[in-house]
Amino acid sequence: QQPVQSPQAVILREGEDAVINCSSSKALYSVHWYRQKHGEAPVFLMILLKGGEQKGHDKISASFNEKKQQSSLYLTASQLSYSGTYFCGTERTTNAGKSTFGDGTTLTVKP
Amino acid sequence: DAMVIQNPRYQVTQFGKPVTLSCSQTLNHNVMYWYQQKSSQAPKLLFHYYDKDFNNEADTPDNFQSRRPNTSFCFLDIRSPGLGDAAMYLCATSIPAAGREETQYFGPGTRLLVL
Repeated sequence: QQPVQSPQAVILREGEDAVINCSSSKALYSVHWYRQKHGEAPVFLMILLKGGEQKGHDKISASFNEKKQQSSLYLTASQLSYSGTYFCGTERTTNAGKSTFGDGTTLTVKP
Repeated sequence: DAMVIQNPRYQVTQFGKPVTLSCSQTLNHNVMYWYQQKSSQAPKLLFHYYDKDFNNEADTPDNFQSRRPNTSFCFLDIRSPGLGDAAMYLCATSIPAAGREETQYFGPGTRLLVL
């Protein structure tokens, strides 16, 4: 079951904040967040596990609400380098290899 | 540096001509994945290996096969490529850690063009 990401696209000015949401209709074990720049491979940002985790580094953080089966990625004081497509990947079990990716949210940061 | 390597970065093949994409890793991860990603779409898992155990996704066409001769290498064979198989093919690895976190590390991808 593919998770649903929203919004599909965001355009920001440098320094503005953004929130990207990822929701599932099924119970989740974990949520991964990746950023992919055009023509490049996805790069891992962070993983959140069951237990209502919140994580962050620098100005990018995320939360996981397992009851609501959703995760949110928060980008604060956005930089030009934040531009790219953000994917969430969800796992319903602890078995390796069952990540399902959302369709992505394209973030464009303008000067 | 430990990494996931994919060769070639760009591959051009003819309609119906078998093609093999390769992936190697120096991370010593026991799980390796192959994804297909078409333009503006999410990566779609084709199959993965947990050590030598092969796991095929239900909707992966029979035209796609994979081999993993050892921990470090994994190959994607497309037996008869069609125009619809043109895509970026991503290899990724992971290792279930003590904290049960299974981060996936992606290679740079191979972009396949079918003429």
